[in-house]
Amino acid sequence: GDSVTQMEGPVTLSEEAFLTINCTYTATGYPSLFWYVQYPGEGLQLLLKATKADDKGSNKGFEATYRKETTSFHLEKGSVQVSDSAVYFCALKGPPGGSRLTFGEGTQLTVNP
Amino acid sequence: EAQVTQNPRYLITVTGKKLTVTCSQNMNHEYMSWYRQDPGLGLRQIYYSMNVEVTDKGDVPEGYKVSRKEKRNFPLILESPSPNQTSLYFCASSLTGPNTEAFFGQGTRLTVV
Repeated sequence: GDSVTQMEGPVTLSEEAFLTINCTYTATGYPSLFWYVQYPGEGLQLLLKATKADDKGSNKGFEATYRKETTSFHLEKGSVQVSDSAVYFCALKGPPGGSRLTFGEGTQLTVNP
Repeated sequence: EAQVTQNPRYLITVTGKKLTVTCSQNMNHEYMSWYRQDPGLGLRQIYYSMNVEVTDKGDVPEGYKVSRKEKRNFPLILESPSPNQTSLYFCASSLTGPNTEAFFGQGTRLTVV
């Protein structure tokens, strides 16, 4: 079945550091890929998505590129802020049907001033 | 405002005492689902519903029930809760399809003693 694997956390960075959170997936066919973010005490919210190979999703300075050849969707940000501290989830929606989300384990990011 | 509302936010109960967690969405979404979030395991789907009166098991359905009598509501029922159901629960809704965004409730922290 479909699965998503994220890099182990937690990740601790200083403000303005470069961020990479790795995500790889296993799926039948060509899934859509998502990054969701969970701020403390809140539900998940969509950060960005990509629906086909070589697409780049971007939002709030975060980017991720759908790499079919390496089955990856790594999240990057050039300069993190304290307000980026949250848990980040990589997820996919695969055929058939395509409505069900499969999540990775989540990566806790803490950014220190 | 588009939202998914869960109640209660926090609940402490005793083993075997039936409980219901409510979920309601105001976006006319067909697809609704319940997840539980546990450390190191990410989010795992409990049940989902493709539309009114259409429900199906997710990855971890044991010990849970759901119903979908109206499009906007999707309650989660624990008929005889056990301590291993202590977890953080999220309801989510979306339009059907592989590229659509899922909207999440704020979560219900359940403790079964």
